Amino acid sequence: QVQLEQSGAEVKKPGASVTVSCKASGYTFTDYHIHWVRQAPGQGFEWMGIIHPNGGSTSYAQRFQGRVTMTRDTSTSTVYMELSSLRSDDTAKYYCARVVIPAAGYDAFDLWGQGTMVSVTS
Amino acid sequence: EIVMTQSPASLSVSPGDRVTLSCRASQSVSSNLGWYQQIPGQVPRLLFYGASTRATGIPARFSGSGSATEFTLTISSLQSEDFALYYCQQYHRWPVTFGGGTKVEIK
Repeated sequence: QVQLEQSGAEVKKPGASVTVSCKASGYTFTDYHIHWVRQAPGQGFEWMGIIHPNGGSTSYAQRFQGRVTMTRDTSTSTVYMELSSLRSDDTAKYYCARVVIPAAGYDAFDLWGQGTMVSVTS
Repeated sequence: EIVMTQSPASLSVSPGDRVTLSCRASQSVSSNLGWYQQIPGQVPRLLFYGASTRATGIPARFSGSGSATEFTLTISSLQSEDFALYYCQQYHRWPVTFGGGTKVEIK
């Protein structure tokens, strides 16, 4: 079964860091770029960045530069997104998503993880 | 960054109605546009990519059109399961950006 399985919900204090994992299965992990997108409660989508599992190259949205790090582990077909210096406005559901076309970096997302709720509260 | 503007923000329609949703880009995105459906509490579902290529499993009552800065998502005969939020997304230029969404509600 082709799927992306994300780690569970997190509750963090302001200033802390959070790492969300996204495990791919059912397809060749290194063939498809993975993006991270977040959605604050009741809001739209905000793109955070992209990682190419084949080689690990990344590109981050400017507003997250210096706070976000995306990595991958090809041995477990898992990508990770770490966000540091958390603030209350980082409270959101974080999604990993796979592009629809193999080897295409920037494309639409046809496969989404179930989302990971990250709550930042003191 | 490219700003994506969707209209209307919401609309109330009846089952069986024809619905047309609009998405406008602040600069040309060629055909590098996706449409998504999101039912509250659920994961987004890709409807179209390349502006008009229907994703796997999407019913034929959905159609996508447009290029450059003007795009349209049409539902020819609204079914009960189509009441949801719809988002457009451009992936033509970094950073990827999304529209604010259109909520399709039951009249």
